[in-house]
Amino acid sequence: DVKVTQSSRYLVKRTGEKVFLECVQDMDHENMFWYRQDPGLGLRLIYFSYDVKMKEKGDIPEGYSVSREKKERFSLILESASTNQTSMYLCASSPGPTWANSPLHFGNGTRLTVT
Amino acid sequence: GENVEQHPSTLSVQEGDSAVIKCTYSDSASNYFPWYKQELGKRPQLIIDIRSNVGEKKDQRIAVTLNKTAKHFSLHITETQPEDSAVYFCAPALSGSARQLTFGSGTQLTVLP
Repeated sequence: DVKVTQSSRYLVKRTGEKVFLECVQDMDHENMFWYRQDPGLGLRLIYFSYDVKMKEKGDIPEGYSVSREKKERFSLILESASTNQTSMYLCASSPGPTWANSPLHFGNGTRLTVT
Repeated sequence: GENVEQHPSTLSVQEGDSAVIKCTYSDSASNYFPWYKQELGKRPQLIIDIRSNVGEKKDQRIAVTLNKTAKHFSLHITETQPEDSAVYFCAPALSGSARQLTFGSGTQLTVLP
């Protein structure tokens, strides 16, 4: 069974802090994704990566960056956290090579609160 | 990007009744149509999917039907049980384009005992 592990379940940070959210998958998947989930808005794609060191912007990349130095790890970085980034963050992975044509496997999420 | 609309946003049914959730999309090139279920406090998980060369797929009590002409697909749950209570998301997609990995806003299904 695919396991996608997010490093923190809950995180509280102050405005202006740099925040790192880590995600690791154990199934050698090529594709990894970061979504944020807000009530009434569903899941919105922030960034995705289809290979090591490759990344592409999703629908709401502003205020975020990502890093993928190893195939199994995909990090989401909030350069300067703001209160409007308070949300549930979900990492997902899927096998390649053609993303968007195979199911996503999600982690359990990180509930981030920015005060 | 893809415009995805999901209806209804909330749905309450009596245990044993059927539930239907509809997802409409804008990109006629979309070719992959999954449904995810998210129970309270848990991660979304795929429950059923269909590809564009198939009109219907069934797995026990759940089924998905696809109408490519009208650009919508639906989730059907029969003989609903309390454990079916969850939020359901559609996510129509186009192979090779992650920008098409757009999720619907979700449907809260409540199965009343």
